[in-house]
Amino acid sequence: GENVEQHPSTLSVQEGDSAVIKCTYSDSASNYFPWYKQELGKRPQLIIDIRSNVGEKKDQRIAVTLNKTAKHFSLHITETQPEDSAVYFCAASSGGGADGLTFGKGTHLIIQP
Amino acid sequence: NAGVTQTPKFRVLKTGQSMTLLCAQDMNHEYMYWYRQDPGMGLRLIHYSVGEGTTAKGEVPDGYNVSRLKKQNFLLGLESAAPSQTSVYFCASSYSGTSGGLQYFGAGTRLSVL
Repeated sequence: GENVEQHPSTLSVQEGDSAVIKCTYSDSASNYFPWYKQELGKRPQLIIDIRSNVGEKKDQRIAVTLNKTAKHFSLHITETQPEDSAVYFCAASSGGGADGLTFGKGTHLIIQP
Repeated sequence: NAGVTQTPKFRVLKTGQSMTLLCAQDMNHEYMYWYRQDPGMGLRLIHYSVGEGTTAKGEVPDGYNVSRLKKQNFLLGLESAAPSQTSVYFCASSYSGTSGGLQYFGAGTRLSVL
């Protein structure tokens, strides 16, 4: 089955700086790659996703890049703000998500004031 | 439009007891999922369903059963609860087809097994 590795497990950045979280996946059939943000005690919330026919996608301060050859994808957050502090999960799925998502173990992002 | 609703929100069980978690969605989604979340482990897929009357095993199905008798509901059952099943359980649903993959999550059920 699919295996998703996520790094780092904890990331501390100064407010206003950029943060980058990286994930690798094992199944070359995977074609859907979402990123979720989870605040303490809350449900995961989708922040951005990318499909395998696209190399990069951007939404305001958030961007995701995908390298299918190397089987890795990354989340980039620019101009970080205190409200960006949370746990971020990457995930991968084949079949457009029908078979469910395989998640990474998460990155605890801490924004230092 | 409530989205994905899970009941109950919290539950404490004794080892060996049984219970059913209910997930309901009002978005007419074909696909529904049950995940568990443990500290440091991310979310792991327990079972899923791609349509009414169908179910399939995910990554960690042992000790759980599911049923999808109605399109809008997906039930997760624990027949004989064990302490290892202490976790936060999330239900999710998504569309099928080319828009598939985008999953909407419920608020979660926090289960403790003593």
